[in-house]
Amino acid sequence: TQLLEQSPQFLSIQEGENLTVYCNSSSVFSSLQWYRQEPGEGPVLLVTVVTGGEVKKLKRLTFQFGDARKDSSLHITAAQPGDTGLYLCAGARQTGANNLFFGTGTRLTVIP
Amino acid sequence: NAGVTQTPKFQVLKTGQSMTLQCAQDMNHEYMSWYRQDPGMGLRLIHYSVGAGITDQGEVPNGYNVSRSTTEDFPLRLLSAAPSQTSVYFCASSPITRGSPLHFGNGTRLTVT
Repeated sequence: TQLLEQSPQFLSIQEGENLTVYCNSSSVFSSLQWYRQEPGEGPVLLVTVVTGGEVKKLKRLTFQFGDARKDSSLHITAAQPGDTGLYLCAGARQTGANNLFFGTGTRLTVIP
Repeated sequence: NAGVTQTPKFQVLKTGQSMTLQCAQDMNHEYMSWYRQDPGMGLRLIHYSVGAGITDQGEVPNGYNVSRSTTEDFPLRLLSAAPSQTSVYFCASSPITRGSPLHFGNGTRLTVT
């Protein structure tokens, strides 16, 4: 059973377009992280959101944590070819060790 | 600053062979973990450790063993490789605090024929 479902699984858009990636779960998380992964490399952290309803901005990327801390979204404004990659959300449970549960991933391709 | 180092980068095994995937970190992180990444399934936790001498199972531990004799090293052993273990394996480390971001190695691509 996948704790975190991401949609869409694949996304191919033209440079300059906007897009939103969704990360949904029926479980509550104490925090949620977003990673980006390039081919042949490990995931790299983009942002951590902790508070329900929290919004964080990283240049053209906007991350939101749902009020109930069960879901999150990533919005990219004016996508660029450098945004191409695999985007992964990961939730931290409220108890126990620092085990992150990863979403299924969204593979984004931005066409010049 | 090396971060998390995984070796080898690629490996091909025959069914039934055993091998050890190496992972070392130089950030003095207490928490270390192993994930496998398969298409359409994200990253799934195999085993993890919260400090030297302490290990525990994750979501998909069958067929894998780990040990943690030092803070720096966390090797993953495949006892008798099976084709279902063909995957990309990632080692990650972090401070012990829950919710800390993970630092990943660059992965080992394993093929079992």
